[in-house]
Parts: sequence; C-alpha cells; structure tokens
Amino acid sequence: GENVEQHPSTLSVQEGDSAVIKCTYSDSASNYFPWYKQELGKRPQLIIDIRSNVGEKKDQRIAVTLNKTAKHFSLHITETQPEDSAVYFCAAPGSARQLTFGSGTQLTVLP
Amino acid sequence: DGGITQSPKYLFRKEGQNVTLSCEQNLNHDAMYWYRQDPGQGLRLIYYSQIVNDFQKGDIAEGYSVSREKKESFPLTVTSAQKNPTAFYLCASSIDPVTGELFFGEGSRLTVL
Repeated sequence: GENVEQHPSTLSVQEGDSAVIKCTYSDSASNYFPWYKQELGKRPQLIIDIRSNVGEKKDQRIAVTLNKTAKHFSLHITETQPEDSAVYFCAAPGSARQLTFGSGTQLTVLP
Repeated sequence: DGGITQSPKYLFRKEGQNVTLSCEQNLNHDAMYWYRQDPGQGLRLIYYSQIVNDFQKGDIAEGYSVSREKKESFPLTVTSAQKNPTAFYLCASSIDPVTGELFFGEGSRLTVL
C-alpha cells in the first residue's frame, strides 16, 4: 500500500516568516495530493490540493508544489500569522484508492 | 445546516465492553470513512464505505466493526477485541472516494478505563 512520510513533525517560525512542510509518497500511480489543517480542538479541513498534471498551485499565502519524478510534494506558507498555528496533514491515495495520511506537522507561529 | 454529526463527543467505558460511535451526514455523500487519530501518527483509516450496504476494511480494522444500512449513517463499533481502543475517532464523508474533499465530523474521544 501507499506509504506517506511527512517532515518535520514540529516546526516553529516567527510571525511573518515562511514555513515549508514536506511529504514523500511511495505509490507512483498516485495522482491527487491534498493538505488538511487541524486547529486545536477542531476537525481537519482541506486547505489546498494538487493533481498530478500540474507542478504548483497557489491560493493566497499557501502553495503546494509537486515533483512526481522524486515522489514528493510540499506545502509552503508565506507571511505566517498566528492563526496559521495548527497541525497540518498531507495525504496521497494508495492502491485501494483511499487516502493515506502523513503523521502530521505541528506548526507554531511565534509572535 | 449541512454537515457531519458525531456522537457522543466524549465516552468512557470499562475494559471488555463494546461501544458504538454514531456518525450521521446530511451532505448526500456516497462515501463515508472512519479514522483513528493518535498523537504523532496522523489519521489512520479503520473502515470505509463507498455505497449503502457495502464497506471495506482500512489499514487498522482489527477489533472494529461497521454497518451502512442507510446512506446518511455509518456507525462504528469498537469491540472488546481492540487491544488499545483509547483514541480520538473521526468520521468523514466525501462525494468522490479518492479525489473528493473529505468533510470531517468533530470527533469522538473514547477512553477505556
């Protein structure tokens, strides 16, 4: 099945700086890569996704890049704000066509 | 108000007892899922159902059971066979089983004493 590895597990940045979270996947047939954000005590919510026919997608301060050759994708958050503090999960579909999630990254934006 | 409702939010049970977690959705989604969330381990898939009266095991199905008798409902039973049942359980639904956005419930925290 699919194996998704996510790094780092924790990340602290100063407000205004950029944050980057990286994920690698094992199934070369995977073609959809979402990112979910889970604020403390709340449910995970989709923040951005990318499909394998593009290399980058942006939505305001967040962007996702995909390198299919290397089988890795990354989440980039620019001009971080305190409300960006949360746990972020990447995911990729496996052979059973169900999403496999990474282990999560706790992002803390320091004022 | 459309969405997914999980109940109860908190549940305490004694070891050896079966417990059932409720999940109801009014989004008219065909696909529904149960995930288990443990610190540092992300979201692990327990069971999923792509259509009424059909469901499949996920990565960690041992000690759990589900049913899908109605499109709106996907209850999860944590049986006494589950060796480490204390966890946070999340239910989700989506229009498309692979590339559709997952809509999550607020979760149920089960503590086995």
